[in-house]
Amino acid sequence: DIQMTQSPSSLSASVGDRVTITCRASQYISTYLNWYQQKPGKAPKVVIYAASSLQSGVPSRFSGTGSGTDFTLTISSLQPEDFATYYCQQSYSTPPSYTFGQGTRLEIK
Amino acid sequence: QVQLVESGGGVAQPGGSLRLSCAASGFNFGSFGMHWVRQAPGEGLEWVAVISSDGLYKYYGDSVKGRFTISRDNSKSTLYLQLNSLRAEDAAIYYCAKDTYINGVRRFDPWGQGTLVTVSS
Repeated sequence: DIQMTQSPSSLSASVGDRVTITCRASQYISTYLNWYQQKPGKAPKVVIYAASSLQSGVPSRFSGTGSGTDFTLTISSLQPEDFATYYCQQSYSTPPSYTFGQGTRLEIK
Repeated sequence: QVQLVESGGGVAQPGGSLRLSCAASGFNFGSFGMHWVRQAPGEGLEWVAVISSDGLYKYYGDSVKGRFTISRDNSKSTLYLQLNSLRAEDAAIYYCAKDTYINGVRRFDPWGQGTLVTVSS
């Protein structure tokens, strides 16, 4: 099974900061990598799909890069509404097994 | 707009059963695969199962294989998850999510609000 490892597990930052979250796959997954944002008490929602494509309606301060095994999610200038937990997810496996990373909690400093 | 509404959660005893439902609206339900994803209290996301648009293909996560069954009724635009032989570690919020697959790229979008399953004697 493909394992997904995110770092850091938690991160404190201030409004206006640039932050980067990393996700590493245990084996090659091409660009079959999505990023989800989850706020407390709410369902997750996709922010980046296919490693670097911005989901419709998501602000352009969010960006994603990477391919193969190493991926990053960057928020260029943190806004108050961005404080949440972020999960990466692979969709490469055959047969299907859509593993999530353990999550990165982004907190206000 | 696309809406997914889960129901059926509640308290079950260890070894017991529950049936979750996910009512879909705002899109052609019978044309899309559907997923169940769960989240234990204070924990991360765990993919549970997927079913193809026609219901012919079903895949499960290792932790639920042989105990949970995913199904759908396209005439009712409803997705189901039958939970049998429940264990304490199955306690979680269960979300349904639409499988959005375009040009070889898959993502879960959108998600329902979730339904809580508690396993306790």
